[in-house]
Amino acid sequence: SQELEQSPQSLIVQEGKNLTINCTSSKTLYGLYWYKQKYGEGLIFLMMLQKGGEEKSHEKITAKLDEKKQQSSLHITASQPSHAGIYLCGARRGGADGLTFGKGTHLIIQP
Amino acid sequence: DAGVIQSPRHEVTEMGQEVTLRCKPISGHNSLFWYRQTMMRGLELLIYFNNNVPIDDSGMPEDRFSAKMPNASFSTLKIQPSEPRDSAVYFCASSFRGVNEQFFGPGTRLTVL
Repeated sequence: SQELEQSPQSLIVQEGKNLTINCTSSKTLYGLYWYKQKYGEGLIFLMMLQKGGEEKSHEKITAKLDEKKQQSSLHITASQPSHAGIYLCGARRGGADGLTFGKGTHLIIQP
Repeated sequence: DAGVIQSPRHEVTEMGQEVTLRCKPISGHNSLFWYRQTMMRGLELLIYFNNNVPIDDSGMPEDRFSAKMPNASFSTLKIQPSEPRDSAVYFCASSFRGVNEQFFGPGTRLTVL
């Protein structure tokens, strides 16, 4: 089965600083999804990447998928308190539609 | 447009009781997914449906778990009998064709005493 490794597991960043979260797979990723989860709430879809080398941005968040489609990064520029939460990467398993998720990265923004 | 709707939001029950979780997907979506989230195992896929048909139930823990989708706007996940180790947050998600982004409901927090 495909496992996704996220790093770091937790991250404390001062407000205004940039940060990067990584998601690595031992197998080719057929679609990589980034979600954000507030504590005690559901998942909010951020971005989906499918092609090697693809990069997408939304507001201050940028996600990339490497050429080999085995690693993705999520970069936040000028972090804000609203960025705090758990960031999860998920990937489709081969040709199947269900997602396998990483364990998540807990992001804390210090004022 | 309403998002994915799950009920109940919280459920506390005693070991051995039957538990039924409910989900209404986003109108027009034809793929529905049930996930379970725990501290130890993270977020795991239990089962998913395409056009109301179960496609992959390999994530269902054991025979105590069953899921149905009688029509395009409703799905249930049933646990009978429930056990303390079933305590978790259960999420339902839907998408328009499985390859697109999945939209998650708010989850049902299940506690089995």
